[in-house]
Amino acid sequence: SQKIEQNSEALNIQEGKTATLTCNYTNYSPAYLQWYRQDPGRGPVFLLLIRENEKEKRKERLKVTFDTTLKQSLFHITASQPADSATYLCADNRDDKIIFGKGTRLHILP
Amino acid sequence: DGGITQSPKYLFRKEGQNVTLSCEQNLNHDAMYWYRQDPGQGLRLIYYSQIVNDFQKGDIAEGYSVSREKKESFPLTVTSAQKNPTAFYLCASSTGDGNQPQHFGDGTRLSIL
Repeated sequence: SQKIEQNSEALNIQEGKTATLTCNYTNYSPAYLQWYRQDPGRGPVFLLLIRENEKEKRKERLKVTFDTTLKQSLFHITASQPADSATYLCADNRDDKIIFGKGTRLHILP
Repeated sequence: DGGITQSPKYLFRKEGQNVTLSCEQNLNHDAMYWYRQDPGQGLRLIYYSQIVNDFQKGDIAEGYSVSREKKESFPLTVTSAQKNPTAFYLCASSTGDGNQPQHFGDGTRLSIL
């Protein structure tokens, strides 16, 4: 079956370091991958979208890569701050609906 | 400001009751979605609608019903047939194009008394 999976339930990173989150997909090839941030008790907020023909996308301290050979997208936060602590979700569009991974909880330690 | 409004923020239901969650958007989006989120489960799609007066079942539609009589409104009814309704419910909207993001409300947390 087609799956989108995010490794690690929780990731602890020291403030100032780069946080890297992983999103893997199996048994299909998404045309786009999207990344969202979700804070506790709030709805997800869209961050970045990357297309399959794009290797990399940047927005301020955020960077997303898309490796169709490895079937993987990486989400990087450089110079991480405690305010970056949240759950990050990857998602792809499939048959007119968006399917979300389970998310990775990121904790930036001061 | 444009956005999605979900109400109420917290909702309590007695056993055997139906309850309706409200979702309104003023983004002029064609598509609207309902998700359920449980701890460790991520977002699961309940129902979605690509256009007024039309909607489709998602992955976990049993025990839920929706209507889409107006473009800006997509209410979700949790019926008594839903045996485990306690969850965080999220509504979203988008233009409907695959390369466009979804915009979410801040959710309704439903609990059983």
